[in-house]
Amino acid sequence: AQKVTQAQTEISVVEKEDVTLDCVYETRDTTYYLFWYKQPPSGELVFLIRRNSFDEQNEISGRYSWNFQKSTSSFNFTITASQVVDSAVYFCALTSTDKLIFGTGTRLQVFP
Amino acid sequence: DSGVTQTPKHLITATGQRVTLRCSPRSGDLSVYWYQQSLDQGLQFLIQYYNGEERAKGNILERFSAQQFPDLHSELNLSSLELGDSALYFCASSVTGTLIPGELFFGSGTQLSVL
Repeated sequence: AQKVTQAQTEISVVEKEDVTLDCVYETRDTTYYLFWYKQPPSGELVFLIRRNSFDEQNEISGRYSWNFQKSTSSFNFTITASQVVDSAVYFCALTSTDKLIFGTGTRLQVFP
Repeated sequence: DSGVTQTPKHLITATGQRVTLRCSPRSGDLSVYWYQQSLDQGLQFLIQYYNGEERAKGNILERFSAQQFPDLHSELNLSSLELGDSALYFCASSVTGTLIPGELFFGSGTQLSVL
């Protein structure tokens, strides 16, 4: 069975702090994809990144970076110099073929 | 804007009623997925259609049904509604029938409130 665990229910930081959102996954498949989605207060789900199981290179996009480690089945997400606009619920998700399995999400609150 | 359109944005109804949620996928996308987001269950996959045919089923109740029409839009029908069906219902689309190497583009959701 596939499972995604986001142990951090809620994180609060002050603007400009760095913050890391943890994601641990379980799957028996050798080929799979991992995703991060952002859900701002307005409610829509915004795609942030997709990573396949064969690509363990870390990725950086502006203030966002992702650390994929197959050895620990983790796909963590770091926001550097957080901003108030980063306040949202962040979901990690996993798929191997037909359905996207989401974690329970981490609510990030960035205070000014 | 993801290109996926969901209507209505909000729906308020009473227990026992039936409602229909509508989704128009991105232009060119053949797959439509339905997800339910509730406070206690999180984001749950309900069902997927690919080019008009059911492709995968998740935690969808028997009171719920869906279909995808020839123009690729999809409808999710919820009947005999209960208080616990109150949730945000998302539609998502992708080009292919599988999520590899595609990705899901989500609509802005329909907030259903059952009173």
